[in-house]
Amino acid sequence: RKEVEQDPGPFNVPEGATVAFNCTYSNSASQSFFWYRQDCRKEPKLLMSVYSSGNEDGRFTAQLNRASQYISLLIRDSKLSDSATYLCVVYRGGNKLVFGAGTILRVKS
Amino acid sequence: EAQVTQNPRYLITVTGKKLTVTCSQNMNHEYMSWYRQDPGLGLRQIYYSMNVEVTDKGDVPEGYKVSRKEKRNFPLILESPSPNQTSLYFCASSFRDRGSRSYNEQFFGPGTRLTVL
Repeated sequence: RKEVEQDPGPFNVPEGATVAFNCTYSNSASQSFFWYRQDCRKEPKLLMSVYSSGNEDGRFTAQLNRASQYISLLIRDSKLSDSATYLCVVYRGGNKLVFGAGTILRVKS
Repeated sequence: EAQVTQNPRYLITVTGKKLTVTCSQNMNHEYMSWYRQDPGLGLRQIYYSMNVEVTDKGDVPEGYKVSRKEKRNFPLILESPSPNQTSLYFCASSFRDRGSRSYNEQFFGPGTRLTVL
């Protein structure tokens, strides 16, 4: 079993739709959680951190459920420019990051 | 401009021919790392370095070497490449973890697409 698992998708949604991705992790000692975005095999870039209380950044909302060991990302009012692969990332400490394989999002007009 | 650079960006080589992929960052980051990305597997860490002359194995170090003689550079060396090392490689850097619960954003280079025939 992979340490970080994501539904690979693709999620095909129309512009303006709300879409949610989930991610599960197996190491209960994981300390911090993040979503990175990757465009078409380019370098990943940090989208947002995920806090226990939940956090929001514009149209993006991230949630963490430590008891169930899953992380979610909600995107509201999807834009064409949101089309990308979203990587769930778990930080174990000691500069050790574990990446999920990614969820593909395609937003269509 | 703050950035991580990698060279070459694309490389096709043959089995057994030694190669080096360079990585350089201009942000004075202590921590640098190499990842490979393969379909369905996500990014997997090959080697990392906490500072000059300090390197350690990641999850998939077999067949790779690294060195950290200067803070800004972290080359990845394939002494005898094999076809299973065909992959997309990313170098990343960040400030060093300063506490068990701290984290610093990883900045990635543009990637190197390597094909070993």
